[in-house]
Amino acid sequence: DAGITQSPRHKVTETGTPVTLRCHQTENHRYMYWYRQDPGHGLRLIHYSYGVKDTDKGEVSDGYSVSRSKTEDFLLTLESATSSQTSVYFCAISESRGEQYNEQFFGPGTRLTVL
Amino acid sequence: QQPVQSPQAVILREGEDAVINCSSSKALYSVHWYRQKHGEAPVFLMILLKGGEQKGHEKISASFNEKKQQSSLYLTASQLSYSGTYFCGTAKTSYDKVIFGPGTSLSVIP
Repeated sequence: DAGITQSPRHKVTETGTPVTLRCHQTENHRYMYWYRQDPGHGLRLIHYSYGVKDTDKGEVSDGYSVSRSKTEDFLLTLESATSSQTSVYFCAISESRGEQYNEQFFGPGTRLTVL
Repeated sequence: QQPVQSPQAVILREGEDAVINCSSSKALYSVHWYRQKHGEAPVFLMILLKGGEQKGHEKISASFNEKKQQSSLYLTASQLSYSGTYFCGTAKTSYDKVIFGPGTSLSVIP
């Protein structure tokens, strides 16, 4: 199994509070991704990173920010959590964007509930 | 831009075959298939690149028709372990981010 951990695994918070989710990898993969998973929507890309301090928006980036100061860590921040951000969040990593090398390995997920 | 998957859900008995379809309104470079078991993370199955090559993974194979912007995942002689949600993801170029479909829930019963 690819070395990806997410923390926390579960979190309950209140509307309006800031929340930071952490993804940590030991594979030294260049690319890292944050997805949210909701029933009926599948996996939707929030933000992704293609290197240290290099990030870009995904499909559903509003209300989220990310940072990557080290190859191994990719942080997702909800500046002011809302109930619509209640979801399961997955981090993923991949080695390269080219051809056969962009298989993604997913972390175990973080279940976030915003009350 | 999200690909469309059909059917949304399917129930099979052990040993039966199933086909899951994935289609896009945009020209595609690649199609990616993942399986997610209940309560677990998605796991990679295969990538199909532009060129229509069919790939296989155990008793699970897939095809990619780039002209029709469609891919199909074939599960033959299904086993209980095949149960889960299958996601297709599509990319327009080799450097484009992958956009996943809503998933197809597959349940295999004895």
